[in-house]
Amino acid sequence: KAGVTQTPRYLIKTRGQQVTLSCSPISGHRSVSWYQQTPGQGLQFLFEYFSETQRNKGNFPGRFSGRQFSNSRSEMNVSTLELGDSALYLCASSLSAGGPLGEQYFGPGTRLTVT
Amino acid sequence: QKEVEQDPGPLSVPEGAIVSLNCTYSNSAFQYFMWYRQYSRKGPELLMYTYSSGNKEDGRFTAQVDKSSKYISLFIRDSQPSDSATYLCAMRSSGANSKLTFGKGITLSVRP
Repeated sequence: KAGVTQTPRYLIKTRGQQVTLSCSPISGHRSVSWYQQTPGQGLQFLFEYFSETQRNKGNFPGRFSGRQFSNSRSEMNVSTLELGDSALYLCASSLSAGGPLGEQYFGPGTRLTVT
Repeated sequence: QKEVEQDPGPLSVPEGAIVSLNCTYSNSAFQYFMWYRQYSRKGPELLMYTYSSGNKEDGRFTAQVDKSSKYISLFIRDSQPSDSATYLCAMRSSGANSKLTFGKGITLSVRP
């Protein structure tokens, strides 16, 4: 079974631009979560989607948004990029949004650099 | 106080050593506990997944949960250089909308 895939793997953007990252979950998984990972803050939760509905949201500004499609694929968008948005963005999928089937499997991440 | 605290490390051990990695937490609602391994420039890989208190063993890895002390551990027996990575603990409550909360991770180096 194929794992979680994320595209693109690397991205360089300029301050003020916007960016869209894509995630394809493991086949059959309906929940997709997004995380930001930086050396200083570690892994921080952005949001989770299940069956096209946002189920949970972390403490990030409104510049960070996401959505999920009917095939469970998900995208996240960051508008008006800031230097501090440089990070590894990770997507994780799970069978369900919680409970005993909620263990998450991560993709390789998208490394975003904002200059 | 952070919800999940993890020993900051880094940790360096000789090959063959027994490694003990630990996390403490403050939220008594946490029911599911996970350990992830992350190699450099890769996404985290799920190593162990346990529910509530007790031990779980998988090969050279043992995960231990003590809910009364709010303390979880990962033991690695006969450590190998290939175990060199960052290890993250993670946990969440049982609710359908609960989010996964991570420790900051500890970097382990196993010297040949």
